[in-house]
Amino acid sequence: DSGVTQTPKHLITATGQRVTLRCSPRSGDLSVYWYQQSLDQGLQFLIQYYNGEERAKGNILERFSAQQFPDLHSELNLSSLELGDSALYFCASSEPSGSLIFGPGTRLTVL
Amino acid sequence: GEDVEQSLFLSVREGDSSVINCTYTDSSSTYLYWYKQEPGAGLQLLTYIFSNMDMKQDQRLTVLLNKKDKHLSLRIADTQTGDSAIYFCAERFTGGGNKLTFGTGTQLKVEL
Repeated sequence: DSGVTQTPKHLITATGQRVTLRCSPRSGDLSVYWYQQSLDQGLQFLIQYYNGEERAKGNILERFSAQQFPDLHSELNLSSLELGDSALYFCASSEPSGSLIFGPGTRLTVL
Repeated sequence: GEDVEQSLFLSVREGDSSVINCTYTDSSSTYLYWYKQEPGAGLQLLTYIFSNMDMKQDQRLTVLLNKKDKHLSLRIADTQTGDSAIYFCAERFTGGGNKLTFGTGTQLKVEL
């Protein structure tokens, strides 16, 4: 158990729908990173938050958005879902060395 | 630029050493990492090396860094069946919020 929690573990939905993925970083960690892992794109950085503020943005689609709340949990919102959005979505928090500690992931299947 | 490459597949016999290679392109990388991903699981941090080091050893794991060639390797001694997984190298560079850029992953298969 890495200490980073993600819910739900699995999510099955239809094209055009909207879903929300939730992440809680390790106790005391202020950063949250979101990554997408798909077969064709590999592990892609989406976005990073630090203490409630957006710090860095990667290959995140405009249909996707995220936020980090005062209690430091984060939500990733995916809307107008397409088949190609099916993937594993990971969040992570970071150690002082910069090492990312990953959660177990949410597997999203879009039918 | 950000580009981290790994060979896709490696097969070894149990008890042998495994060497997984990685090349990266960003010379300003500060730390380089190795992660392990077992089927259906998240990414587990194995080890990391600071860019001013050449080598780091941690039990059965040895990391070698050739900064001139931008080449990183992970050696697993006495490879066991439990080592079968996908191994990712990742680099952290100084720009952009300390995100990590991951390689394509190397699937290690350990045969009896």
